[in-house]
Amino acid sequence: KAGVTQTPRYLIKTRGQQVTLSCSPISGHRSVSWYQQTPGQGLQFLFEYFSETQRNKGNFPGRFSGRQFSNSRSEMNVSTLELGDSALYLCASSTLQGRSYNEQFFGPGTRLTVL
Amino acid sequence: QKEVEQNSGPLSVPEGAIASLNCTYSDRGSQSFFWYRQYSGKSPELIMFIYSNGDKEDGRFTAQLNKASQYVSLLIRDSQPSDSATYLCAVRGSGYALNFGKGTSLLVTP
Repeated sequence: KAGVTQTPRYLIKTRGQQVTLSCSPISGHRSVSWYQQTPGQGLQFLFEYFSETQRNKGNFPGRFSGRQFSNSRSEMNVSTLELGDSALYLCASSTLQGRSYNEQFFGPGTRLTVL
Repeated sequence: QKEVEQNSGPLSVPEGAIASLNCTYSDRGSQSFFWYRQYSGKSPELIMFIYSNGDKEDGRFTAQLNKASQYVSLLIRDSQPSDSATYLCAVRGSGYALNFGKGTSLLVTP
């Protein structure tokens, strides 16, 4: 079974631009969570989607948004990029069913650099 | 702010020894506790998780919870150089979101 895929893997943008990152969960997984990882702050939760609905949201400004499609694929968007948005953005998927309820499988991440 | 705290390390142990990793959490209502391993340049992978009702052993790994003191530990027996990685502790409070610590770097020396 294919793992979580994220595109693009690397991205360079300049301040003020916007960016869209994509995540395809493992087949059959309906929950997708997004995290930001930086050396200073570690892994921080952005938001979680389940069946196209945002169920949980972390403490990030409104410039960070996301959505989930009917096939469970998810996108996150960051508008008006700031230097501090440079980070590794990780997506994780889960079935939220049975014995696998607690297992979140992470994708390889998208490395975003803001210049 | 509900926090998860870990010593950043590095924690250095010789091959074959027991590595002990700890994290503390502030949300007394937390019910699920997770340990992830992250190799340099890779994404986190789940090692094991426990609920508030008990410890768990899985092969060389044992996760323990001390609810009264609000800390979680991960013991790695017979440590191998391949265990060298950053270990992330995560706690789930209400909802599904995971609150991660910043990780402890473990170095197992041959």
